[in-house]
Amino acid sequence: GENVEQHPSTLSVQEGDSAVIKCTYSDSASNYFPWYKQELGKGPQLIIDIRSNVGEKKDQRIAVTLNKTAKHFSLHITETQPEDSAVYFCVPSGGYNKLIFGAGTRLAVHP
Amino acid sequence: EAQVTQNPRYLITVTGKKLTVTCSQNMNHEYMSWYRQDPGLGLRQIYYSMNVEVTDKGDVPEGYKVSRKEKRNFPLILESPSPNQTSLYFCASSLSVTNEKLFFGSGTQLSVL
Repeated sequence: GENVEQHPSTLSVQEGDSAVIKCTYSDSASNYFPWYKQELGKGPQLIIDIRSNVGEKKDQRIAVTLNKTAKHFSLHITETQPEDSAVYFCVPSGGYNKLIFGAGTRLAVHP
Repeated sequence: EAQVTQNPRYLITVTGKKLTVTCSQNMNHEYMSWYRQDPGLGLRQIYYSMNVEVTDKGDVPEGYKVSRKEKRNFPLILESPSPNQTSLYFCASSLSVTNEKLFFGSGTQLSVL
């Protein structure tokens, strides 16, 4: 079945630094690549997504890059702020109706 | 306001006492699904539904039931809860089957004693 790996599991940065989280998947049929942010006590919320016909997408300080050949996509956050502190999940999908989430990355941004 | 509503937010129960966690969405979404979230394991899919009367198992369906009699509602039923079902549960919906943005509820923290 589908295998999804997310790295790193924890990430600690200083405010203003950049953060990068990588998601590797196994299903070559995947064609939708979203990233979700989960703040403490809340449900996950979509922050950015990309489809397989695009290599990169940017939304202000957040960007997602996709390498379909290597089967991985990454979340990039620039100029990090304390409110970026959260758990981030990747959920590549497209081949099946089941969804496999990455194990999550806990990002801590220190003032 | 477009949203997914789960109830209750917190639930403490005892082993074997049947319970239902409700989930409702007001966006006319076709796809609905349930997840449990455990420390170190991330989110794991329990059941999903592609439309009314169409449900299927996710990765961890044992001990759970679901039904989809109406498009907006997708309750999660634990017929005989056990302590290993103590977890944080989320319901989510999207416009169509996968490949679309998921909207999550606020979660239900369940403790089975």
